[in-house]
Amino acid sequence: AQSVTQLDSHVSVSEGTPVLLRCNYSSSYSPSLFWYVQHPNKGLQLLLKYTSAATLVKGINGFEAEFKKSETSFHLTKPSAHMSDAAEYFCVVIPYSSASKIIFGSGTRLSIRP
Amino acid sequence: DTAVSQTPKYLVTQMGNDKSIKCEQNLGHDTMYWYKQDSKKFLKIMFSYNNKELIINETVPNRFSPKSPDKAHLNLHINSLELGDSAVYFCASSPNGAGEETQYFGPGTRLLVL
Repeated sequence: AQSVTQLDSHVSVSEGTPVLLRCNYSSSYSPSLFWYVQHPNKGLQLLLKYTSAATLVKGINGFEAEFKKSETSFHLTKPSAHMSDAAEYFCVVIPYSSASKIIFGSGTRLSIRP
Repeated sequence: DTAVSQTPKYLVTQMGNDKSIKCEQNLGHDTMYWYKQDSKKFLKIMFSYNNKELIINETVPNRFSPKSPDKAHLNLHINSLELGDSAVYFCASSPNGAGEETQYFGPGTRLLVL
């Protein structure tokens, strides 16, 4: 079965420190993997995506993620957190070629301490 | 200009009523989607639709029906509303519905059924 697991429901970091949001997936096929961000009372916005090209993917606002097939992981990182990064983050897997098979992780709420 | 727009932003209604939520995209995309986000922030796809094909998530009750007057619009009609339908509903679009495509989300419609 295809699935995606976000290992932390809530992560809290101090402003200026690194961010790590963890995501593991299960897929029988070569998946497309995404990170989307949702700010309070807003829709989702794409941060970055992996679609079988480079395994280290750079996204907007200084975020990046590395696709590790051997570990079935796609963790999201940022070297230095900013207050504006406080939001809900969703790891997403599309295990087949059709977007109708999309699966969302349960989300990680990122809080930033001043 | 907003790429994907939804109306209304908020919808409060009584059990048993029928309601519609409208979605419009000005991106020229061929594929549109409806998602439901529950109170725990969990997101699930309800429908994906393009000019050729409607794909329905098997867990969606048949009280929910998408209606597309043209390529730029995908409205969601809900019959006989139930308390459990209370959620945030997001519309999204992508170019062709392929798995590697970025989806663009609307701001959401917050539905409360009393």
